Amino acid sequence: DGGITQSPKYLFRKEGQNVTLSCEQNLNHDAMYWYRQDPGQGLRLIYYSQIVNDFQKGDIAEGYSVSREKKESFPLTVTSAQKNPTAFYLCASRGDRDSGELFFGEGSRLTVL
Amino acid sequence: SQQGEEDPQALSIQEGENATMNCSYKTSINNLQWYRQNSGRGLVHLILIRSNEREKHSGRLRVTLDTSKKSSSLLITASRAADTASYFCATRRTDSWGKLQFGAGTQVVVTP
Repeated sequence: DGGITQSPKYLFRKEGQNVTLSCEQNLNHDAMYWYRQDPGQGLRLIYYSQIVNDFQKGDIAEGYSVSREKKESFPLTVTSAQKNPTAFYLCASRGDRDSGELFFGEGSRLTVL
Repeated sequence: SQQGEEDPQALSIQEGENATMNCSYKTSINNLQWYRQNSGRGLVHLILIRSNEREKHSGRLRVTLDTSKKSSSLLITASRAADTASYFCATRRTDSWGKLQFGAGTQVVVTP
């Protein structure tokens, strides 16, 4: 089945450690996105990529890094510079270029101990 | 900053009742989309309305858009317990075409 796969679903890390969240899609979509969601809040855009080997900062990029070496993959690294990394992270890809409809993965919940 | 702001923040209704939630936004948009999120899950696209449309229907969903007031509403008719979820509006701004900006959401609880 076509879709977006995020892993791991739950992740725990110690302060000062970097962690990488995986996002893979087999929908043949060009654009991919990373959002952060905190309790009771909406989604805030971290990074997005409209094509392979290109990506742009979103509204809250500080402390995060991404790469887009393959069309199918858009991993997000949460670095030790991110001051408050505990959150629910959502990856999405864009279907129709005209409408901008997004298809989401099931999310990764990161907890910093 | 959030582009869309939903109202109310939370809504509790009984099965069979209608649920209405509103979304306001600040800048010119290309389209407005509504998404649903079950607790702890990803978002699912429900319906899209373009800036030149005023109303759209999909099953039990009805969406309106008033660009002069920069607002939209989502109506769910004849609610079911399975409609319990958070609902988010998202706007595609004309000045940042590649991005969707989401509001804080309305949490809807439908009791049997």
